[in-house]
Order: sequence, then structure tokens, then C-alpha cells
Amino acid sequence: AQKVTQAQTEISVVEKEDVTLDCVYETRDTTYYLFWYKQPPSGELVFLIRRNSFDEQNEISGRYSWNFQKSTSSFNFTITASQVVDSAVYFCALSERGGSQGNLIFGKGTKLSVKP
Amino acid sequence: GAVVSQHPSRVICKSGTSVKIECRSLDFQATTMFWYRQFPKQSLMLMATSNEGSKATYEQGVEKDKFLINHASLTLSTLTVTSAHPEDSSFYICSAMTPSGSNNEQFFGPGTRLTVL
Repeated sequence: AQKVTQAQTEISVVEKEDVTLDCVYETRDTTYYLFWYKQPPSGELVFLIRRNSFDEQNEISGRYSWNFQKSTSSFNFTITASQVVDSAVYFCALSERGGSQGNLIFGKGTKLSVKP
Repeated sequence: GAVVSQHPSRVICKSGTSVKIECRSLDFQATTMFWYRQFPKQSLMLMATSNEGSKATYEQGVEKDKFLINHASLTLSTLTVTSAHPEDSSFYICSAMTPSGSNNEQFFGPGTRLTVL
């Protein structure tokens, strides 16, 4: 069965600290997609990244970076030099069905609080 | 591009009434739309998958007679919460997938916060 685990419920850091949000997934499919979303207090989901199972290359986008390791079924997200505006709930998600039925399975989310 | 809107953004209703939530893809045609529900401080849970022109597929535990989904066009899906009760109070979020479904990317609406008194 498919499952996404975000073991960290809440993380609190001080501005400018680096922080890593963990995500571990379970799936039997060989083709799947992994996502990270940010949900600020307004509630709207903000898409951050999508990764397919065949692309293990790590990615960096500004202060954000992602580490995809198939060997450990992990897709961790690091924010470098965190800022107060990074405060939000972050969700990792898995989609394992291709084509038009790619519904997302979300982890429980990690609430990040960045204090000035 | 790929903007999804939801209306209303917030609704308060009395117990026993029905509430309709609209989800629209503004600049693309969506053959598949998804409806999620998020209770306070919890994750998003898929309620149903809606395909244009066919009946929605509901997830286990979701009452199809209570949560009516209509995907009548390629740009509009509606969720009607019938005979709403306080336990239906939640944040309802829709998403839409492009026809090609490339890379399983979904575009999310801003959500509708439902409060049932």
C-alpha cells in the first residue's frame, strides 16, 4: 500500500538557520511521482516541486533543495537560511498512478515556524 | 497559466442545508478533477475523483449520496454537500489535471472553508 510519512509534526527554528523536512514514502509501483507543497495560513497550496521516480538527481532552487534517495525511499526538503516567510505547513505527497488517475497521497504535514 | 478557482471561498450555513462548491479551471481544460477535504491541523484526504462526463469515483468511507459531485464540463466540477452537519465543517480543496496528465501534475484551487452551525 502507498503511504507518505512525515515524522516531524512541528519544527521551530530561528531565522537564518537551515532546516530539513523529512519525507519517507512507500509504494510498490516502479513509476511514481513525489511532490512537495507549502500551505501558508491562508490555506492555499503552493506547489514547490515534482520528481519522478526515474530522476534521482537532487535539485536546488534558490534557498530550497531536495534530496531524493530511492534506496531509503526518502525525499527530503531543505531550506537554507530560513526566513519568517517560510513559516507554513509543508506537505510531501506521492502519486503512483499514471495517466489521468494520478491522485495524490499526502503526508500529515510538518508545521515550520521560523522566528525572527 | 493553469489557474484553478473555487467559489465560494468561505461559507457558513445552518445544519440541514445543502451547500454547493464550484471548482473551475480558468485557462485549461481538465478532464480529471479531484476533491480533497482537510480538517483543522490535519492532512488533505482525497474524497473523490471526478472525470468529465462520467460518474465520480469516491474513496472508501466517503458517502456519495451526501457529497454529490458533478463534472459537467471540461472546466467545471461542483461538489454539493447535502444536508450538512457540523461534522462536515472542513476545508474543501479541488484540483485539476490537464488532459495530457503529464507527470501527474495537479493544479489546486484556493480552497473553500465550510462552517456548519
